[in-house]
Amino acid sequence: AQTVTQSQPEMSVQEAETVTLSCTYDTSESDYYLFWYKQPPSRQMILVIRQEAYKQQNATENRFSVNFQKAAKSFSLKISDSQLGDAAMYFCAYRSAYGGSQGNLIFGKGTKLSVKP
Amino acid sequence: DGGITQSPKYLFRKEGQNVTLSCEQNLNHDAMYWYRQDPGQGLRLIYYSQIVNDFQKGDIAEGYSVSREKKESFPLTVTSAQKNPTAFYLCASSVIRQGPFFGQGTRLTVV
Repeated sequence: AQTVTQSQPEMSVQEAETVTLSCTYDTSESDYYLFWYKQPPSRQMILVIRQEAYKQQNATENRFSVNFQKAAKSFSLKISDSQLGDAAMYFCAYRSAYGGSQGNLIFGKGTKLSVKP
Repeated sequence: DGGITQSPKYLFRKEGQNVTLSCEQNLNHDAMYWYRQDPGQGLRLIYYSQIVNDFQKGDIAEGYSVSREKKESFPLTVTSAQKNPTAFYLCASSVIRQGPFFGQGTRLTVV
């Protein structure tokens, strides 16, 4: 079974600085997707960024980028120019590319990010 | 606007009572999911449905039931058999190659 591990329960960053959140996963599959979700105090889950395992190029969305290391099964999120609105829980998630029950998301336990003004 | 609507936002349940959480989407997604979130935890899958009139148990289905009579709707019933139902419940929908989109959640409390 696949697992997702976020080893940093809490992180802190100064406003305008850069922070990296770590995520590792375990799978025997070759085709899958990885995601980072943000959960602000409102508790709605917001998709931040998505990476396909077959794409070597790291995904980027504005100030958010990932470092995807497939061999190491690592998928870290970098937030540049941190803003106060980035403060939230961040969840890493894995999804098999195959259909059926394997298409569901498997989540890590999350990293709580604080942004200091 | 396309999206997922969960209702109610807050729900209180008495001991021994069944309650139903609503989830509606107008994104034309085939797949829908119910997740449970407890404090300090990630999300755990309760039930999912890949197509109308079909659904499958997730990791923690005991004490819950669902139906999928319409593509747009995937209600979750928390039955009296669920011994610890107080939690935050999130509904999601997706197409297979994209990340699921989530509703705003329902906070269920046993009183």
